[in-house]
Amino acid sequence: GAVVSQHPSRVICKSGTSVKIECRSLDFQATTMFWYRQFPKQSLMLMATSNEGSKATYEQGVEKDKFLINHASLTLSTLTVTSAHPEDSSFYICSARSGERSNQPQHFGDGTRLSIL
Amino acid sequence: AQSVTQLGSHVSVSEGALVLLRCNYSSSVPPYLFWYVQYPNQGLQLLLKYTTGATLVKGINGFEAEFKKSETSFHLTKPSAHMSDAAEYFCAVSDPGYGNKLVFGAGTILRVKS
Repeated sequence: GAVVSQHPSRVICKSGTSVKIECRSLDFQATTMFWYRQFPKQSLMLMATSNEGSKATYEQGVEKDKFLINHASLTLSTLTVTSAHPEDSSFYICSARSGERSNQPQHFGDGTRLSIL
Repeated sequence: AQSVTQLGSHVSVSEGALVLLRCNYSSSVPPYLFWYVQYPNQGLQLLLKYTTGATLVKGINGFEAEFKKSETSFHLTKPSAHMSDAAEYFCAVSDPGYGNKLVFGAGTILRVKS
């Protein structure tokens, strides 16, 4: 149980393109979803927290207009990197949690490798 | 503010040897603690978690961890390493006072030698 599917697994595109990444909880309802960014040989950096039906909460330093997050249903959240540039190249990982409480684990997708040329 | 320190960015053990990955945390309240494993180009998989109750927690793949409040530690162990254990391991902490968010350590890459 607790499977999270993230798609696509890899994207290579030109600078200026907008890229959408999907995160789906396959066998549970995800009240809360999280989006992380991971740089090479580094830990995960939380970008934003999204709750179904409400606006995402962004971490300090993360541009809301650059990284658009939509959590339209209890099983789907999307991250859109708008007008992507080479510095946006990174490994993006989503996670989902079935409740609000912090003792419930987050379940992670397999990540999306984004490469902007 | 919460923080997580993983001592040793790289740990190398021989196949069959004991695995010990260290994690210390800083939290103003009793935290919830997690260990995750990440294989190359993949997301994170939950190994085990401590929330309340028994301080020795058993997880998947033969791993276990012990919560020691007095030492603010949550070290991960496995009695006998297997080649398939080679991966990166992340310790993470969350508490209600920090918006229920996870704070990750920097990660420890485990190498298993044959």
